[in-house]
Amino acid sequence: EPEVTQTPSHQVTQMGQEVILRCVPISNHLYFYWYRQILGQKVEFLVSFYNNEISEKSEIFDDQFSVERPDGSNFTLKIRSTKLEDSAMYFCASRQARNINQPQHFGDGTRLSIL
Amino acid sequence: DQQVKQNSPSLSVQEGRISILNCDYTNSMFDYFLWYKKYPAEGPTFLISISSIKDKNEDGRFTVFLNKSAKHLSLHIVPSQPGDSAVYFCAASAQTGANNLFFGTGTRLTVIP
Repeated sequence: EPEVTQTPSHQVTQMGQEVILRCVPISNHLYFYWYRQILGQKVEFLVSFYNNEISEKSEIFDDQFSVERPDGSNFTLKIRSTKLEDSAMYFCASRQARNINQPQHFGDGTRLSIL
Repeated sequence: DQQVKQNSPSLSVQEGRISILNCDYTNSMFDYFLWYKKYPAEGPTFLISISSIKDKNEDGRFTVFLNKSAKHLSLHIVPSQPGDSAVYFCAASAQTGANNLFFGTGTRLTVIP
């Protein structure tokens, strides 16, 4: 069964550095998402992406964050000038758009640790 | 942001019995609801969903019930199996725009052999 893949599985970065989290969505999916889960908290929506542009973004997704689909397969989340509070699990998800009642499928996440 | 709530952080059930996980929501714009199952070190795995035009959806051992007037949904697992032990998340979306999901905090289900 096709799946969403995320790399790396764990990223450790010094505060103030930039990180890029990578995702390969399911190939025939058209909507892409990033979510995050801070330890002990709920999964929170960050941003959605469709037709090569951001569809929606949450209040969390400020100027520190950006997303890109640099080629036909990868979907990346860049976090500039990382802060301690950016430490979390980051999940990528994708969805087919043909039928509106289609679930999002998630990758296994990247654990981001900011030191 | 408490738009989706799962008030029971944990639930223990004997193998073979029914597991009932509950979820409440506050946003009346939500019209698509999903249950995800999550094992440690893995992402959420889609389990079952229901549209607001229905009040029940069944898939094998899993049934989701939706009560729109009470803004409540539940997931029934019967019979429960030890492999069902995981954290279960309720999620909801409004069928507009990108359908981003709002998640509950999860219920940890333990099925005792």
